[in-house]
Amino acid sequence: GQSLEQPSEVTAVEGAIVQINCTYQTSGFYGLSWYQQHDGGAPTFLSYNALDGLEETGRFSSFLSRSDSYGYLLLQELQMKDSASYFCAVNNDYKLSFGAGTTVTVRA
Amino acid sequence: EADIYQTPRYLVIGTGKKITLECSQTMGHDKMYWYQQDPGMELHLIHYSYGVNSTEKGDLSSESTVSRIRTEHFPLTLESARPSHTSQYLCASSEDFVTDTQYFGPGTRLTVL
Repeated sequence: GQSLEQPSEVTAVEGAIVQINCTYQTSGFYGLSWYQQHDGGAPTFLSYNALDGLEETGRFSSFLSRSDSYGYLLLQELQMKDSASYFCAVNNDYKLSFGAGTTVTVRA
Repeated sequence: EADIYQTPRYLVIGTGKKITLECSQTMGHDKMYWYQQDPGMELHLIHYSYGVNSTEKGDLSSESTVSRIRTEHFPLTLESARPSHTSQYLCASSEDFVTDTQYFGPGTRLTVL
């Protein structure tokens, strides 16, 4: 089976940087994805890492270390609209297994 | 931008009723999924499909069924609804077998009384 661990919640102020860690255990691994979900909304895809290293997409970056079974999502220059839940997901056996999600609250 | 639709958006029904939640996508994606998500919690995979006439069970599949007769349509049926089925149901599709980037519909919020 698969298990993923990520912090349940993080609070930060506008303009700050937040790092959401994700550790995983899985019998097979193709890559690590990140999704954002606003309250009452549907998850939307943010990033995907298949290889070790950092992927940057605007204010958001994602990192993967396959040897450590670890990844993180970095949110920079936080804005109020970034208040949402963020899920890491392991791509395993051609389907995704999601973590429990991290609720990010951005304060003015 | 993904085009994936779910109906109804909200449904309140009594215990024991048979219900079908509809999901359609216009992108021609082969892979489709159903997830159950309680507020503030993780997504649990119920069923998925690799394409027409393909259906697979996920983690929470024992009380529901799906069909995939057409590429664009992937309905989920609960034969006998119970209060424990009260939750949000999310449908998703994917075209990329490598990254499995999934596009989600708006969800159906189900309440079983």
